[in-house]
Amino acid sequence: SQQGEEDPQALSIQEGENATMNCSYKTSINNLQWYRQNSGRGLVHLILIRSNEREKHSGRLRVTLDTSKKSSSLLITASRAADTASYFCWVTDSWGKLQFGAGTQVVVTP
Amino acid sequence: NAGVTQTPKFQVLKTGQSMTLQCAQDMNHNSMYWYRQDPGMGLRLIYYSASEGTTDKGEVPNGYNVSRLNKREFSLRLESAAPSQTSVYFCASSTGLRQPQHFGDGTRLSIL
Repeated sequence: SQQGEEDPQALSIQEGENATMNCSYKTSINNLQWYRQNSGRGLVHLILIRSNEREKHSGRLRVTLDTSKKSSSLLITASRAADTASYFCWVTDSWGKLQFGAGTQVVVTP
Repeated sequence: NAGVTQTPKFQVLKTGQSMTLQCAQDMNHNSMYWYRQDPGMGLRLIYYSASEGTTDKGEVPNGYNVSRLNKREFSLRLESAAPSQTSVYFCASSTGLRQPQHFGDGTRLSIL
């Protein structure tokens, strides 16, 4: 079973709009990370948020973490066509077990 | 450019054939990983190597073997390929265990 599960599975927006996707998990975690995967490429690490953090920013990315709800969100502000990709969350639980979710496919149209 | 290099990029095999997927990293990372990615399944860990000389099973190790040849190289072998192993395979590396930092571009493997 997947410990990190993204929602929605697919998201279509126009350039300039914000894109928000969520990740839910099932166990206690040490940290949660978000990755981007462009079509036909490997994953690129975007941002890590630790279990004692609630929000983190990196450029146009904003990640929140709510450990009480076992969920995280990734917000991409002012989206660009280059943001078209699949986005995955990754959780590391207290036992060091690692899981990727199935991803959110984001399409940004001009 | 520094990074993770996987070869080959594409491969088609017949059921029962064997092959080895190669992975090399030039970032002096201790840990390396092999994942498979299937539609709707995300990435699943096949094997990982915490450091040179050690390997451990991940979530889906059956049908695969690995070799950590040296610090740079971590290969994945399919001894007798099966159609269920049709997938995209990704190698990754990291300085410490548990948090892969860099991924290769993948090997697209089809088994007929």
